[in-house]
Amino acid sequence: GDSVTQMEGPVTLSEEAFLTINCTYTATGYPSLFWYVQYPGEGLQLLLKATKADDKGSNKGFEATYRKETTSFHLEKGSVQVSDSAVYFCALFNSGGYQKVTFGTGTKLQVIP
Amino acid sequence: NAGVTQTPKFQVLKTGQSMTLQCAQDMNHEYMSWYRQDPGMGLRLIHYSVGAGITDQGEVPNGYNVSRSTTEDFPLRLLSAAPSQTSVYFCASRDLPNTGELFFGEGSRLTVL
Repeated sequence: GDSVTQMEGPVTLSEEAFLTINCTYTATGYPSLFWYVQYPGEGLQLLLKATKADDKGSNKGFEATYRKETTSFHLEKGSVQVSDSAVYFCALFNSGGYQKVTFGTGTKLQVIP
Repeated sequence: NAGVTQTPKFQVLKTGQSMTLQCAQDMNHEYMSWYRQDPGMGLRLIHYSVGAGITDQGEVPNGYNVSRSTTEDFPLRLLSAAPSQTSVYFCASRDLPNTGELFFGEGSRLTVL
């Protein structure tokens, strides 16, 4: 079945540091890929997405490129801020089967001033 | 816009008690789902629905019931709560068909003693 593996956290960075959160996936067919963000005490919200190979999703300074050859969708940001502290989830959507969205286990990011 | 609304936000139950978590969405989404979030396990799908009168099981359906009498509402019932059901529950909805972007409620934190 489909699965998503993301790097374990927590990740602690100083403000303005470079961020990478790794995400790899296993899926049949051609899934869409997502990054969701969960701020403390809130539900998940979509951060960015890519629907086909080589697409780059971007939002709020975050980027991720859909790499089919390495089955990866790593999240990057050039300069993190304290306000980026949250839990980040990588996810995939496969239109086959019952169209399930499969989530990774989440990576907690803490940015310190 | 209200989006996806969940109630209650917090609930404490004793083992064996029953309760219903409410979920309502005002986006006219056909697809609605319930996830549970547990530390180190990401989000796991409990039940989902692709329209009024249609429900199906996800990965972890045991101990939970759902019904979908209207497009807007998708309640989750715990018939006899167990400590293993202590978790944070999220309701999420999306359009059908689409690329899989989910819209989440703020979550309901349930503790079973």
